[in-house]
Amino acid sequence: DAGITQSPRHKVTETGTPVTLRCHQTENHRYMYWYRQDPGHGLRLIHYSYGVKDTDKGEVSDGYSVSRSKTEDFLLTLESATSSQTSVYFCAISEGEETQYFGPGTRLLVL
Amino acid sequence: AQSVTQPDIHITVSEGASLELRCNYSYGATPYLFWYVQSPGQGLQLLLKYFSGDTLVQGIKGFEAEFKRSQSSFNLRKPSVHWSDAAEYFCAVVLSGNQFYFGTGTSLTVIP
Repeated sequence: DAGITQSPRHKVTETGTPVTLRCHQTENHRYMYWYRQDPGHGLRLIHYSYGVKDTDKGEVSDGYSVSRSKTEDFLLTLESATSSQTSVYFCAISEGEETQYFGPGTRLLVL
Repeated sequence: AQSVTQPDIHITVSEGASLELRCNYSYGATPYLFWYVQSPGQGLQLLLKYFSGDTLVQGIKGFEAEFKRSQSSFNLRKPSVHWSDAAEYFCAVVLSGNQFYFGTGTSLTVIP
């Protein structure tokens, strides 16, 4: 399995609070991604990174920001969490236009 | 709009029976194609992928998939399903720019 960890694995928070999810890789892959998974929608891309300090928006980026200050870490921040952001969040990595490897996921509940 | 369609939301098969999960895409060019499997509470695991060449690809756990350009399809098959195959299956495509587009998934139930 690719060396990808996500923290926290579970989080409960209240509406309006900031939340940061962390993805850490040990594979030295160039690309990193954040997805959310919701029933009936499959996985949808939030943001991705193609290098340190290089990021771009995905399909559902509103309400989310990301940062990548090191190759191995990719942070996803919800500036002010809303109930619609209750979801399972997956991090993925890839070396190019090839296979993406996924982390174990973070379950986020916004009350 | 570009899209990936998995027309079957849920499939139930008996253990030992054959399985086919459908995936269709709507893109002008031939994309890279993938099948992933997700067990409950787990992340996604790659089953197989197609980039080019032989249109019948073999994957892990006895799965195979066939790319049919004329039908814009990449269906997943297994000749004999095991109870441990119960999971959710996702088809995905990538054109360029490293952006994956996922289908909405097919949930597989296996009856003993």
